[in-house]
Amino acid sequence: DAGVIQSPRHEVTEMGQEVTLRCKPISGHDYLFWYRQTMMRGLELLIYFNNNVPIDDSGMPEDRFSAKMPNASFSTLKIQPSEPRDSAVYFCASSLVGDPDTQYFGPGTRLTVL
Amino acid sequence: GNSVTQMEGPVTLSEEAFLTINCTYTATGYPSLFWYVQYPGEGLQLLLKATKADDKGSNKGFEATYRKETTSFHLEKGSVQVSDSAVYFCALSDRYTGNQFYFGTGTSLTVIP
Repeated sequence: DAGVIQSPRHEVTEMGQEVTLRCKPISGHDYLFWYRQTMMRGLELLIYFNNNVPIDDSGMPEDRFSAKMPNASFSTLKIQPSEPRDSAVYFCASSLVGDPDTQYFGPGTRLTVL
Repeated sequence: GNSVTQMEGPVTLSEEAFLTINCTYTATGYPSLFWYVQYPGEGLQLLLKATKADDKGSNKGFEATYRKETTSFHLEKGSVQVSDSAVYFCALSDRYTGNQFYFGTGTSLTVIP
C-alpha cells in the first residue's frame, strides 16, 4: 500500500486566498484525522471522521476552516479566507477500526500564508 | 480529561549515550499509550505502544513501560545512534473517547557523533 497520501506537499499563498488540502487515506481504513502542527502549539487534532462521517470537529479553530470526506478514499481541508496565522504543517492520518491503536500519518502539507 | 505531558527539549546526546524522555499522562478511562517518532520532513510513525498497565512496549532498541501507579510512560534507549535524531511524541488513546489521540508537545533529540 502507498500509505496515506497528501497533496500538495507545499503550499504558499497570500492572505485572503482559499486553500484546499487533500488527503487519500489507506484503503480500507475507517477513521481519518486532520492535525495541525506548529512550533507554538505542537500537534493539534482538528477533526476526525468515522466511515466518512465527521465525529468531532471541536478542534477546528474557526468558521474559516471546513473539512469534508465525500467518500472513503478522499478528504479535503479547506481554509477560506486564509490568514498568516494559519501557516503550519497539516497532517492527515488514518486508522482501522480493527486496530484503533495505530494511526498512519501522511507526509504532511506545509502551508505558508503570506 | 485526557492529556499528556512530556519532557521539553531539545535534547542533545553523544552517540552511544543513554536516553530517557519522560512522559506522564492523565486519563479518565483506561488508555493505551504510545510513542511516535517524526523524522525530519516526514509524518509521524508509531515507534511502540502499550495497552495496559505493566506492559512494556519495545522497538528498535527503544523501550517504555506503562506505569499506572505513577501515570508514566518514559521512553528509554541504552545506546543512541545518530540515526535516532528526530522528534519524539508521547500519546494516549482512550477508548471511551473513540479513536481520538492526545499527543504531547514533542521532544526533539539530536545525537552527535
